[in-house]
Amino acid sequence: DADVTQTPRNRITKTGKRIMLECSQTKGHDRMYWYRQDPGLGLRLIYYSFDVKDINKGEISDGYSVSRQAQAKFSLSLESAIPNQTALYFCATSVGAGGRMSTDTQYFGPGTRLTVL
Amino acid sequence: AQKITQTQPGMFVQEKEAVTLDCTYDTSDPSYGLFWYKQPSSGEMIFLIYQGSYDQQNATEGRYSLNFQKARKSANLVISASQLGDSAMYFCAMREARNQFYFGTGTSLTVIP
Repeated sequence: DADVTQTPRNRITKTGKRIMLECSQTKGHDRMYWYRQDPGLGLRLIYYSFDVKDINKGEISDGYSVSRQAQAKFSLSLESAIPNQTALYFCATSVGAGGRMSTDTQYFGPGTRLTVL
Repeated sequence: AQKITQTQPGMFVQEKEAVTLDCTYDTSDPSYGLFWYKQPSSGEMIFLIYQGSYDQQNATEGRYSLNFQKARKSANLVISASQLGDSAMYFCAMREARNQFYFGTGTSLTVIP
């Protein structure tokens, strides 16, 4: 079984709809992240969470919200979807590296392809 | 300024040959990490290799090695003995000590039989 799972894998929705993307992990990692990928732009960080009570905005958090329900679960919500939120969304986890933050490797889920019409 | 720059949108390499994918970075932090990820056409992001800013030696993982030139702020990925399965997008990424994580725009590698 995959260590990081995302549901749904594909979703088509309409403008104005609320949608939730879910991420679960069995790696036992404390840190979880949400990214979006757009063609030619690489990955951009939306939100990240270092533990259940610690949630932080990333580079492009406007229009998104998150919930860390448990150590293993981190969900991303689009309250009112718009077409420019059409993208590939990735969840990632990392163990945290104590004092050496820079060594903290991220491991990614399979991605959710979201289309907003 | 871009934190991570990958200047090669697309690269071609003959099977069994070596190929170098370029990556330059920009940071003022003394402590940072550099990562390469592979994204095949199926879409998943696969971690390949890591280099720490204080590491004295270049990182290696099987056929992957990272040519780390700190003064030039470059972290090129070298793939030796290319295989057809190496055809994919490759992303360079950097983590600064403040936990910001940045990705480049990627290089598409095609291995020719």
